[in-house]
Amino acid sequence: DQQVKQNSPSLSVQEGRISILNCDYTNSMFDYFLWYKKYPAEGPTFLISISSIKDKNEDGRFTVFLNKSAKHLSLHIVPSQPGDSAVYFCAASAPSFGNEKLTFGTGTRLTIIP
Amino acid sequence: DADVTQTPRNRITKTGKRIMLECSQTKGHDRMYWYRQDPGLGLRLIYYSFDVKDINKGEISDGYSVSRQAQAKFSLSLESAIPNQTALYFCATRTGRSTEAFFGQGTRLTVV
Repeated sequence: DQQVKQNSPSLSVQEGRISILNCDYTNSMFDYFLWYKKYPAEGPTFLISISSIKDKNEDGRFTVFLNKSAKHLSLHIVPSQPGDSAVYFCAASAPSFGNEKLTFGTGTRLTIIP
Repeated sequence: DADVTQTPRNRITKTGKRIMLECSQTKGHDRMYWYRQDPGLGLRLIYYSFDVKDINKGEISDGYSVSRQAQAKFSLSLESAIPNQTALYFCATRTGRSTEAFFGQGTRLTVV
C-alpha cells in the first residue's frame, strides 16, 4: 500500500519556466512533509519541508504548498535552472503521533531543457 | 569528508553469500536508518535505530539484519544474498529534534 504517491515518473520543463511536482498521500496521520532532491550517484539531499499547520512554505526559488483536505502537496520551482535536473522525492511523517519514520514516494525525474 | 559515509560504494556478490554494508556518521545523531531504492518503488525502510540499544524493523526487513555497534555506526547484513536484493542502499541519520534526515552516498549492490 503506497501511502505517498508521486504519479508522474518524469517531467520536462524549459529553463526559466515554472516546474510543478505533485505528491498525494493517503494517511491522514501524516503531519510533516519534506521534499528531497537526488542526483545520480549521490544520496538524497533535503530541499524543503512543511508542517501541517501551514499551507505554504517558501525558500528562495522553491515553494511547497499543502492542501490538507485534498491530501495533496506540490513543489514549485521558479525559475527552473539546468541544475534542478534531478529526481525529486516527496516524504511524509507523523511525529506528532509518535511515528517519526519517513515514508517516501516513488520519485519524479525532472529534466530542465536549456 | 562526508558526514554520513557508506562502505563499500559498489559491490557485486554471488547468491548465497553473506555481505555487510557499513555506515558511519560524524553528525552526532542518535537516529540511524537503512533504506533501499528500487526503480519505480522509491525508498523503502529496512531497519532503523533510535539509539544503540533500540533496533526496529521497517517495512521490508525480511532477509536483512542490522547491528548498531556504536552511536556512530550502523551496519546492514544480508545473511544469504539473493538476486532480488539487488538495489541501491542508503543509510540516513537524523537527530530527534528534527525530521530532516541526512543520507549517505549509497551502496550499489548487485547479487548474481
